[in-house]
Amino acid sequence: DQQVKQNSPSLSVQEGRISILNCDYTNSMFDYFLWYKKYPAEGPTFLISISSIKDKNEDGRFTVFLNKSAKHLSLHIVPSQPGDSAVYFCAASVGGTNAGKSTFGDGTTLTVKP
Amino acid sequence: GAGVSQSPSNKVTEKGKDVELRCDPISGHTALYWYRQSLGQGLEFLIYFQGNSAPDKSGLPSDRFSAERTGGSVSTLTIQRTQQEDSAVYLCASSLGTAGIHEQYFGPGTRLTVT
Repeated sequence: DQQVKQNSPSLSVQEGRISILNCDYTNSMFDYFLWYKKYPAEGPTFLISISSIKDKNEDGRFTVFLNKSAKHLSLHIVPSQPGDSAVYFCAASVGGTNAGKSTFGDGTTLTVKP
Repeated sequence: GAGVSQSPSNKVTEKGKDVELRCDPISGHTALYWYRQSLGQGLEFLIYFQGNSAPDKSGLPSDRFSAERTGGSVSTLTIQRTQQEDSAVYLCASSLGTAGIHEQYFGPGTRLTVT
């Protein structure tokens, strides 16, 4: 049973347009969510996070939206740039102390075309 | 400052041999995680350490896999009697703590190929 799902393996957008990456989760105990970006031959790097007490968190061109009732979150990138082309992983955690691992989705490959 | 480092970066081994993969976390990070990523797949959790203890080993695929951490720092992931299905990129990450609010800092990974 996959607790974090990214149903779109790939997404292609034009430079300057908005990229929307989606993530669904099933475990209602998750209360902290993170997005990571991964370039080929590198480890993932942290991008942005959101706590379940919020429904939106914004950092520059990146905004994460959380819909707890639907157990759905999304990452918006606007405007998209060619350097944003990477694999994006959604991760979910239980936010208390000593809570343990994050659970990752399978990733979505974003391609931003010049 | 130094990030998470892993060695070797690439390892090719024959089926049946044992391999050791090493991870040096960021100094001061008490939590350390091991994941693997098979071709075209997501990140598969293997094990995490809080200090030198491993509260969650649930992701280890079989008893051929083991890991240890000494001095609250370096960790070694050992795979005994390697099989072809063990071929993957093994990623290590560290964080300030294991609470879910702590982002993880990943190393570049070790690409393991079992022939």
